[in-house]
Amino acid sequence: KNEVEQSPQNLTAQEGEFITINCSYSVGISALHWLQQHPGGGIVSLFMLSSGKKKHGRLIATINIQEKHSSLHITASHPRDSAVYICAFHQGAQKLVFGQGTRLTINP
Amino acid sequence: EAQVTQNPRYLITVTGKKLTVTCSQNMNHEYMSWYRQDPGLGLRQIYYSMNVEVTDKGDVPEGYKVSRKEKRNFPLILESPSPNQTSLYFCASSRQGLYNEQFFGPGTRLTVL
Repeated sequence: KNEVEQSPQNLTAQEGEFITINCSYSVGISALHWLQQHPGGGIVSLFMLSSGKKKHGRLIATINIQEKHSSLHITASHPRDSAVYICAFHQGAQKLVFGQGTRLTINP
Repeated sequence: EAQVTQNPRYLITVTGKKLTVTCSQNMNHEYMSWYRQDPGLGLRQIYYSMNVEVTDKGDVPEGYKVSRKEKRNFPLILESPSPNQTSLYFCASSRQGLYNEQFFGPGTRLTVL
């Protein structure tokens, strides 16, 4: 069983819809990252959080350390949000363990 | 412009021919790391470095070597590449470890025949 499970694996939505991507993990962690991988392959860090909620523009990330669950929300989705979204948690102090990613497609 | 660069971006080589993928960052970051990405397996960490002359294994270090002689550079060395090292490789850096924003390089697509 993977230590990190993301759901859904694939998500297709219409422009403007509210999007939620989930990340569950099976071990105790101290912090979690959300990454965005563009269709061209480049990876951008979106959030690093260890508790509560963070917001950046239309993106919101939440984490519940006790429930071992994090979510990434996108409000007013747009076709340019189409990408693969990856969660990753810290294993020990300096290693990252990644989820499989969620492929998001936003249709105009 | 603050960035992480990797070279080459694409490489096709043959089994056993030693190669080096370079990674350089211009942000004076202390932490650097290498990852590989494979279909169905996602991203996995190969090696990381907390600072100059300090390196440690990630989850899949077999068949790879790294060095950190200068703060800005963190080359990945494949002494004897094999087909199972065909993959997409990413280098990343951050100011100090994983509790800071990670900056990723553009990736290197390696094919070993």
